Amino acid sequence: AQSVTQLDSHVSVSEGTPVLLRCNYSSSYSPSLFWYVQHPNKGLQLLLKYTSAATLVKGINGFEAEFKKSETSFHLTKPSAHMSDAAEYFCVVSYMNRDDKIIFGKGTRLHILP
Amino acid sequence: KAGVTQTPRYLIKTRGQQVTLSCSPISGHRSVSWYQQTPGQGLQFLFEYFSETQRNKGNFPGRFSGRQFSNSRSEMNVSTLELGDSALYLCASSPRQSSGEQFFGPGTRLTVL
Repeated sequence: AQSVTQLDSHVSVSEGTPVLLRCNYSSSYSPSLFWYVQHPNKGLQLLLKYTSAATLVKGINGFEAEFKKSETSFHLTKPSAHMSDAAEYFCVVSYMNRDDKIIFGKGTRLHILP
Repeated sequence: KAGVTQTPRYLIKTRGQQVTLSCSPISGHRSVSWYQQTPGQGLQFLFEYFSETQRNKGNFPGRFSGRQFSNSRSEMNVSTLELGDSALYLCASSPRQSSGEQFFGPGTRLTVL
């Protein structure tokens, strides 16, 4: 069965240090992959997406993610964390033309320490 | 383009009542999906409507229902409210069915007393 796993429910980093949020998916099919961010009491906002073009995807606010098929991973990174990055992040996988499923990860809450 | 709008933003109901939430998608988007978000269960998919037809459904009881109108606006109804229905209800629109790229509204915060 298809699934997506966000390996950390909480991540804490100091302001100015790198951010790594991990996401693994399982599937025999080629997925489309997305990262969303949700700030407190807000809806989700698309950060970036991978849809079988370049494996390194750049998104908004300095975030990027690399699709690694051999590792079935799509980790989200940022070189230098900012206080405004404190939020919850969701990894999402979709399989167009394969049961039409969209699967959300359980989310990773990112804490930024001053 | 205007974003996805949801009304009302906040709602307080008592157990046993019913509630209707509304979602207006981005102009031109024909898919509307609904999600329930709670601290305990996280983000859970309720259903998706595309061109006025329910295309996908999550694992929720029949008390949760929805519909979509010809202008793509959607409503979600919850009957016989339970305390556990207290949640943030998010609506998302997309130009395509079953797309992982969705545009979310700010949500409706429902509190059941």
